[in-house]
Amino acid sequence: EAQVTQNPRYLITVTGKKLTVTCSQNMNHEYMSWYRQDPGLGLRQIYYSMNVEVTDKGDVPEGYKVSRKEKRNFPLILESPSPNQTSLYFCASSPRTGYSNQPQHFGDGTRLSIL
Amino acid sequence: SQQGEEDPQALSIQEGENATMNCSYKTSINNLQWYRQNSGRGLVHLILIRSNEREKHSGRLRVTLDTSKKSSSLLITASRAADTASYFCATARWTSGGSYIPTFGRGTSLIVHP
Repeated sequence: EAQVTQNPRYLITVTGKKLTVTCSQNMNHEYMSWYRQDPGLGLRQIYYSMNVEVTDKGDVPEGYKVSRKEKRNFPLILESPSPNQTSLYFCASSPRTGYSNQPQHFGDGTRLSIL
Repeated sequence: SQQGEEDPQALSIQEGENATMNCSYKTSINNLQWYRQNSGRGLVHLILIRSNEREKHSGRLRVTLDTSKKSSSLLITASRAADTASYFCATARWTSGGSYIPTFGRGTSLIVHP
C-alpha cells in the first residue's frame, strides 16, 4: 500500500530535549516536505527536499533541521524544542515537482507538545 | 508564503444541501488542486484541474477554474454528514532559488448537519 509514515504520532516532551520525527514513503517519490499546522494559520511549510541531498527552507524553518540521505526518508529534527513549536506536523511527498506540481501524499500527522 | 486563499473560512449547512467553497490565488499557475482534511488527519488529494481546463467533475465534486480572475471553486452536491472536513486549495509558487513548490491556503471548514 502506498503510504507516508510518520513516527511518533503523538509526543509530549520538555523544552530543550532534542527530538526527531521520522518520515518514510514507499512510493519512490522525489519531492518530500514538512508542514506545521496551527489553528487559523493553515499549513505552513517548514522544509522541503527536491531529491536526495537536496533540501531547502520553507516559510518557517527556524528551530528545525532536516536531512535527506535516502530517497524514502526525510526526518525532521528539533535540536532544542521550545513551546512555540507545539503544533501538528505533517510530512508529504509527491513524485516530483518541476513545473508539474503533482498531488502530494500526506502522512497522518504528528502532534507535538513542548512543555 | 501562501498563494491561495479559501473563502469562506467556515461553512455550516444541512445534509442534502450543496456546499460551495472558493479559492483565489495571486500568480499564474500550471494547475490547481483541492484537498480534504478530516479532523486531525492528513490531507487527502481530491481533484486536480489544469490551467487549460475550465471545469472538472469527480462524483459529487465539481471544480471550476477561471484563470482570468485567478479563482477556483469547489462544489459538493447533495452533501452528507461525512463530508464534514476542512478543504484546502493548493497551487504552487516559485522560490527565490528557482524551485516550483506546492503551497496551500488556510482552508474552509465545512460542517454538514445531519
